[in-house]
Amino acid sequence: QSALTQPRSVSGSPGQSVAISCTGTSSDVGAYNYVSWYQQHPGKAPKLMIYDVTKRPSGVPDRFFGSKSGNTASLTISGLQAEDEADYYCCSYAGTYTWIFGGGTKLTVL
Amino acid sequence: QVQLQESGPGLVKPPETLSLTCAVSGYSISRGYYWGWIRKPPGKGLEWIGSGHGSGSTYYNPSLKSRATISVDTSKNQFSLKLSSVTAADTAVYYCARHGEGTCDYWGQGTLVTVSS
Repeated sequence: QSALTQPRSVSGSPGQSVAISCTGTSSDVGAYNYVSWYQQHPGKAPKLMIYDVTKRPSGVPDRFFGSKSGNTASLTISGLQAEDEADYYCCSYAGTYTWIFGGGTKLTVL
Repeated sequence: QVQLQESGPGLVKPPETLSLTCAVSGYSISRGYYWGWIRKPPGKGLEWIGSGHGSGSTYYNPSLKSRATISVDTSKNQFSLKLSSVTAADTAVYYCARHGEGTCDYWGQGTLVTVSS
């Protein structure tokens, strides 16, 4: 069970949009609509930002958008703000009651 | 409001057994959901260790299955992790979380466990 593949880092200026990809296989990301995304600030617990590929929990701004195509899921953040600077992780159900995370992406707001 | 709180030793000697407990409040774990353990080694990403269910079923990351044991105690509304034969590679912040198939919606604050002699 290898980690899902995410870019190590992405960056953008305030107000711009960035996209973070999460590539798996036909056994995990491609097989189930059970991809979630988490934001983690240093020293804090991860925070759920997107679940079931596209759904936003209450309180998460609609600037955060989730999508999936084939074996790759994506998190798009529009209207970047300074507080969006954090590490982002994707997670997918991988069948037979197992879950797998991505390696994480560091978002820098320039 | 669902809250989870990890507890356990912050220092474990190799090759002893790491033991952590997650106390849950605001939700009865017997009602459903999976109750999982996730860790973050220094400088690395998140790793799912395994999960338990209120039914008593347990599920593990294949890479850790031989060393990890998760138990669920519905009478105390808590669940536990034991990880045997630890090495320095098991040093990490350990989180407990409530999750479904597609979401981990509630997390504990995390507890740092250092493996060192």
